[in-house]
Amino acid sequence: GQQLNQSPQSMFIQEGEDVSMNCTSSSIFNTWLWYKQEPGEGPVLLIALYKAGELTSNGRLTAQFGITRKDSFLNISASIPSDVGIYFCAGVASGAGSYQLTFGKGTKLSVIP
Amino acid sequence: SAVISQKPSRDICQRGTSLTIQCQVDSQVTMMFWYRQQPGQSLTLIATANQGSEATYESGFVIDKFPISRPNLTFSTLTVSNMSPEDSSIYLCSVQQGSNQPQHFGDGTRLSIL
Repeated sequence: GQQLNQSPQSMFIQEGEDVSMNCTSSSIFNTWLWYKQEPGEGPVLLIALYKAGELTSNGRLTAQFGITRKDSFLNISASIPSDVGIYFCAGVASGAGSYQLTFGKGTKLSVIP
Repeated sequence: SAVISQKPSRDICQRGTSLTIQCQVDSQVTMMFWYRQQPGQSLTLIATANQGSEATYESGFVIDKFPISRPNLTFSTLTVSNMSPEDSSIYLCSVQQGSNQPQHFGDGTRLSIL
């Protein structure tokens, strides 16, 4: 099946710093999604991207759909303690069913106050 | 987005028993899915719950082990049958309201098998 390489696996940052994480694939994706999961909860959708080159913001979060359609990044500016959690990228591969999500392995973010 | 309620939120079960997990949505949705998230891991799709017909299972998952029902457009159940410690995971329901819409997840059922 399709695989997404998500990096970094974990990050420890100081409050106020900016954060960047990314996902890459050897295959073309039609959709990129970014989710955040906190302990005891399900993944919550942060940003959805549907067009190559698309750049979308949600508050302090910004995500981009790579122009090659094989990658996406998520940036978090001015991190705060409540940003702690696991961030997952997910995508729908070209040729797959429109519902067939492939998930990255996640980036665990820790914010030091 | 739709409000998704999963029950139970957690359970501890004896090996060899079965547990049925419920997923209720507050509005009609096109697609409903069941995922497994093993400890410290990412999400793996178990199956697509099809309304009024048999679920579509992904490779490595079978109906005898994970029977699924979806009697209408707002409700689905996943049963984990004949449980063993290897079935200890978080089981998540997700919904998709249209082909070009993102999936949204419930809070999951945390299952431990002794």
